[in-house]
Amino acid sequence: AQSVSQHNHHVILSEAASLELGCNYSYGGTVNLFWYVQYPGQHLQLLLKYFSGDPLVKGIKGFEAEFIKSKFSFNLRKPSVQWSDTAEYFCAVNRLNNAGNMLTFGGGTRLMVKP
Amino acid sequence: NAGVTQTPKFQVLKTGQSMTLQCAQDMNHEYMSWYRQDPGMGLRLIHYSVGAGITDQGEVPNGYNVSRSTTEDFPLRLLSAAPSQTSVYFCASSYHNQETQYFGPGTRLLVL
Repeated sequence: AQSVSQHNHHVILSEAASLELGCNYSYGGTVNLFWYVQYPGQHLQLLLKYFSGDPLVKGIKGFEAEFIKSKFSFNLRKPSVQWSDTAEYFCAVNRLNNAGNMLTFGGGTRLMVKP
Repeated sequence: NAGVTQTPKFQVLKTGQSMTLQCAQDMNHEYMSWYRQDPGMGLRLIHYSVGAGITDQGEVPNGYNVSRSTTEDFPLRLLSAAPSQTSVYFCASSYHNQETQYFGPGTRLLVL
């Protein structure tokens, strides 16, 4: 079965610190990759996605992620976090040879940014 | 567009009661799905539908039923609620089953 692992369950940073959240998946075939964000009290929103092409993708609010196929990883990064980045972040993987959408989510990482 | 809407926002049930969580989208999306969100476990797929009249099971389907009589609506039914079904439920939709999904605001369910 496909699994998605997010290594950090809780991360606490000060404003202006750099952020990197890890995401690894176990499926060996072609995948679509996503990062979603859930701000306190809100629903999930797409942060960025990778389907094909340049493995370094840029999303909203200064976030970016790099797909490293050999490492089955899709880590999320931001050079300088802000207090407003406090949220829970979810990595998700979708296999491309599946007729149905079995989008698999990681367990999430709660980020707290201290002002 | 309202996007993906869900009702109710909150619900408290007693064990054994049944209820239906409503989900609707006005984006003419073919693909719709239901997830439950539990602490530390991310979102897990309950059921999904690739179009009107077609539904299939996801990762955790037991205790839940769905139907898709129209493109717009995708209700989730709890047949006999159990405390293990206490969770936050999200409905999502997308144009295609591989594309970005748009999530509703969620329904917070407590089963006593």
